[in-house]
Amino acid sequence: DAGITQSPRHKVTETGTPVTLRCHQTENHRYMYWYRQDPGHGLRLIHYSYGVKDTDKGEVSDGYSVSRSKTEDFLLTLESATSSQTSVYFCAISVAGAGNTGELFFGEGSRLTVL
Amino acid sequence: SQQGEEDPQALSIQEGENATMNCSYKTSINNLQWYRQNSGRGLVHLILIRSNEREKHSGRLRVTLDTSKKSSSLLITASRAADTASYFCATDGKGAQKLVFGQGTRLTINP
Repeated sequence: DAGITQSPRHKVTETGTPVTLRCHQTENHRYMYWYRQDPGHGLRLIHYSYGVKDTDKGEVSDGYSVSRSKTEDFLLTLESATSSQTSVYFCAISVAGAGNTGELFFGEGSRLTVL
Repeated sequence: SQQGEEDPQALSIQEGENATMNCSYKTSINNLQWYRQNSGRGLVHLILIRSNEREKHSGRLRVTLDTSKKSSSLLITASRAADTASYFCATDGKGAQKLVFGQGTRLTINP
């Protein structure tokens, strides 16, 4: 257990509303990630962070923004939610040292439904 | 597109049998990892194999890596009902700062 919590765990929202998902870690790891999981697509990387205020895009970043103002929190924001963003969102942290492709620890997921 | 592709997409076997899942990838890697996901839960890391390794064991798990074929296999021996889950391979590209996951193999162990 790498001390990862995601909130909220479940959310239903309307199209066009803003949504923010929070990932919190307790162990000060540098690298944090947001993935989405959809049937037929597996896990796809949305954004990741390699330090406070240091973020980069993944393969499906359109429509999403992230912020990391503190080491322990990585926020994923949907500025104007669309039905195509209905998904299960997973936060993950890497406990790797140098480089960044070691073992990932995942949160329990946030299920978002956009009506 | 996905870096790793698992095969088969679904596998159903009897308890006690061995289960083999395969993963193919496209570019050079530093390491390849396998994860398990139980229904409704987050992914859990199983094993990491580096590009200079050919085989690795962990309990009932055996992972092989063939970098010339850009493929890996995960073998679960003496399967149990508790092994029912989805299994994903994940790869990093050389110099990458992130892992890319395949679509997974859904494994069902029948009692």
